[in-house]
Formats: sequence, C-alpha cells, structure tokens
Amino acid sequence: QKEVEQDPGPLSVPEGAIVSLNCTYSNSAFQYFMWYRQYSRKGPELLMYTYSSGNKEDGRFTAQVDKSSKYISLFIRDSQPSDSATYLCAMSLRSNDYKLSFGAGTTVTVRA
Amino acid sequence: DGGITQSPKYLFRKEGQNVTLSCEQNLNHDAMYWYRQDPGQGLRLIYYSQIVNDFQKGDIAEGYSVSREKKESFPLTVTSAQKNPTAFYLCATNGGVDTQYFGPGTRLTVL
Repeated sequence: QKEVEQDPGPLSVPEGAIVSLNCTYSNSAFQYFMWYRQYSRKGPELLMYTYSSGNKEDGRFTAQVDKSSKYISLFIRDSQPSDSATYLCAMSLRSNDYKLSFGAGTTVTVRA
Repeated sequence: DGGITQSPKYLFRKEGQNVTLSCEQNLNHDAMYWYRQDPGQGLRLIYYSQIVNDFQKGDIAEGYSVSREKKESFPLTVTSAQKNPTAFYLCATNGGVDTQYFGPGTRLTVL
C-alpha cells in the first residue's frame, strides 16, 4: 500500500464547475499538508500549505484536512481553463521537513 | 529576480555517459533537494542537503551523486550506473519557514 493515494484521473470539467480533488494517507503522524499545481513540462508550484485539521481558503481554492479520516481535499471554485494542470498532494511529519510524501497527481482539464 | 534555476531544460544522454544537471538558487535558502518524477508516480527524493558541504541520500540515490560546495548551487550527476535515467528531474529549496519550492525542471532522455 502506498503511503499517499491520489486518484490519477484524468478529470475533465466545464468552465465554471467546482473541481474536487482528494488524497488519502496511511500515516496518522502527518501534520503538514500541501497542494502543488504543475503545468505540463514545468515544476510544481505551491498552492496551499496547511497544518493539522480544518479548512483554509485562498481565493477560489479551499483546502480541507480531516485527520480523523486521513483524508485531504482541494476544491477549486469557478474553474477556469487556466486551472488545467496536474495537482499533487504532499504531506510531512514536521514543518520544514526534508521528507515530503507525494501523491501521484491528478490531471485536470477545464473545458472552455 | 529571485528564484530557482535549472539547466539545461532538456538533456540527452548516451549509454555509458555521466551527465550533470545544474540547480542554482538566489533565495538564500539553506536546504536543497533533488527529486525524480516519472509518469504516474509521485516525486521521489534522490538527495538532499541542509547545509553547505553536507548532503544525505534520499529514497533512490543509487546511480546518482551530488555536491554542495556553495549555498547557491546543488548539482546532480546522473552516472552510468543509473540504469533507467529517463525522467523529469526537479530541484527544490526550503528557506526554513514552511515547505519546499521547486525549480522548472530538467527533462533527461537516454538515447
């Protein structure tokens, strides 16, 4: 069993739809959770960085962490064609940890 | 203009050759990392360095080597011992505030 599981998709939605992305994990000690966005042939860019359980909102993006279920989500509201990318979840035991555990990524296409 | 630069963007290697990938940063970050990304897999850590003149093996260090002689630079050498080197290589840094930030990547193809 992989430490972090992420539905690979691909996911195709019409412009304006809500995109829902999820990851599950097996290590209950993870405390820091990240979402990265990666455009084709580019490096990942950090979208959201959260600690422990709860919600965090940044513009059209909302990250949710449910540590009791070992489940994290990223929601994208009012999706745009520019949101078309691969989204990677990542998590770590400590802040500034050298060791990040990544999901395999979900590829999203937003159709105009 | 602050950031992480990786060069070259594309690199081709013949069988038996060693090649070196460059990673430079002007963010004044202490920690630097090398990852490998293959289709359908998460990023896998090759090597990391938390301070100049010190580095540690990650999960898949076999066939790779690094050096950290300067804070700004963390080059990765893919040696001929790496049997399946075709992949997308990513360098990352961490400034000690939150988490890791990535460079634009180098795509290595073996001919």
